[in-house]
Amino acid sequence: DTGVSQNPRHKITKRGQNVTFRCDPISEHNRLYWYRQTLGQGPEFLTYFQNEAQLEKSRLLSDRFSAERPKGSFSTLEIQRTEQGDSAMYLCASKAGTSGPANTGELFFGEGSRLTVL
Amino acid sequence: DAKTTQPTSMDCAEGRAANLPCNHSTISGNEYVYWYRQIHSQGPQYIIHGLKNNETNEMASLIITEDRKSSTLILPHATLRDTAVYYCIVGGGATNKLIFGTGTLLAVQP
Repeated sequence: DTGVSQNPRHKITKRGQNVTFRCDPISEHNRLYWYRQTLGQGPEFLTYFQNEAQLEKSRLLSDRFSAERPKGSFSTLEIQRTEQGDSAMYLCASKAGTSGPANTGELFFGEGSRLTVL
Repeated sequence: DAKTTQPTSMDCAEGRAANLPCNHSTISGNEYVYWYRQIHSQGPQYIIHGLKNNETNEMASLIITEDRKSSTLILPHATLRDTAVYYCIVGGGATNKLIFGTGTLLAVQP
């Protein structure tokens, strides 16, 4: 499968614990995005990378959240001291960063990592 | 990024065309209109996008009004597998950061 891969698919944790999600984008996609989705809502933008550089962070990304993309390939999203309000689906998407006619505007999403904080 | 307005839900009979409207009256000149859909428990899936002209691909057609303040996604022959939440998004630009709303839940009825 050459799509966007996210692990783990499901994570149940107790409040106060740290969790880390991993995203493997489509090979050679230099842009990577993280979104969060709660029940009944559309995905909310959290942050995005171009290669290893984190270029934008949403106000939703509190200081308990940190995202990295150390080598410009896979990315991790860590949540420290989890709270019940962090329960959500965390979605990763990637995109080729070309401009012009080859830039289809298409984001390729993974299946998401569902977090439940007890 | 411009905001979009979509109906909360719609029904469509299997085999008929599904026409999903979207209003984006504050769209700016360089913003695209994107449509994605999300089937239950899956990540969003790209359908189509356009700037000014109508677009068609193997999944759907996108009709954008001349003033670009609204658009319609057309699924020509809806099937049960098209039951999903459909998101109309305006924006993109240099970052391609897409801001999702709550979308339209399309229920295709047998």
